[in-house]
Amino acid sequence: KQEVTQIPAALSVPEGENLVLNCSFTDSAIYNLQWFRQDPGKGLTSLLLIQSSQREQTSGRLNASLDKSSGRSTLYIAASQPGDSATYLCAATQGGSEKLVFGKGTKLTVNP
Amino acid sequence: NAGVTQTPKFQVLKTGQSMTLQCAQDMNHEYMSWYRQDPGMGLRLIHYSVGAGITDQGEVPNGYNVSRSTTEDFPLRLLSAAPSQTSVYFCASSRARVNSPLHFGNGTRLTVT
Repeated sequence: KQEVTQIPAALSVPEGENLVLNCSFTDSAIYNLQWFRQDPGKGLTSLLLIQSSQREQTSGRLNASLDKSSGRSTLYIAASQPGDSATYLCAATQGGSEKLVFGKGTKLTVNP
Repeated sequence: NAGVTQTPKFQVLKTGQSMTLQCAQDMNHEYMSWYRQDPGMGLRLIHYSVGAGITDQGEVPNGYNVSRSTTEDFPLRLLSAAPSQTSVYFCASSRARVNSPLHFGNGTRLTVT
């Protein structure tokens, strides 16, 4: 059974800092791994999707990497801004299935 | 585009009552799903559908029913509400079954007393 872990649960950084959020998963037989952002009281917004055959994806200041052999993904945020403050969740497909298993998220606070 | 629309935004039920949470998407997405989000538990899949007329169970299906009579709509029915079903419910959709980003609605906050 796929298990997804995100550490730390919370992170506070000063504005302008580059930062890395971590995601680990137990079953490497994934179709894809997705990163989402959730603002308080809102639904999740898809940020990046990395397919099993890919190593990384980029969108603006965000870069996500995938290492299936070690069961890890990282989300790199460059030049962080207060508007980046949110909870970031990763999700990996369950082995042989399209069903997503979510981590519990990392709550990011970027201080002005 | 409206994307994924969920109604209502908030609901309070008494134990034993039934209700339907509505979900509609206007993106012609094939895949739709329901999740519940609880503190300390993360998001858990309740039911999902890979197309009109096809539904299947997720991780926590007990106490919930779904149907998919059209591509656009995927309602979630609570048969007999219990306090353990107090949660935030999210509907999500994606263009294809695999390797398509998941689009979420803004959620329904349900309290069962």
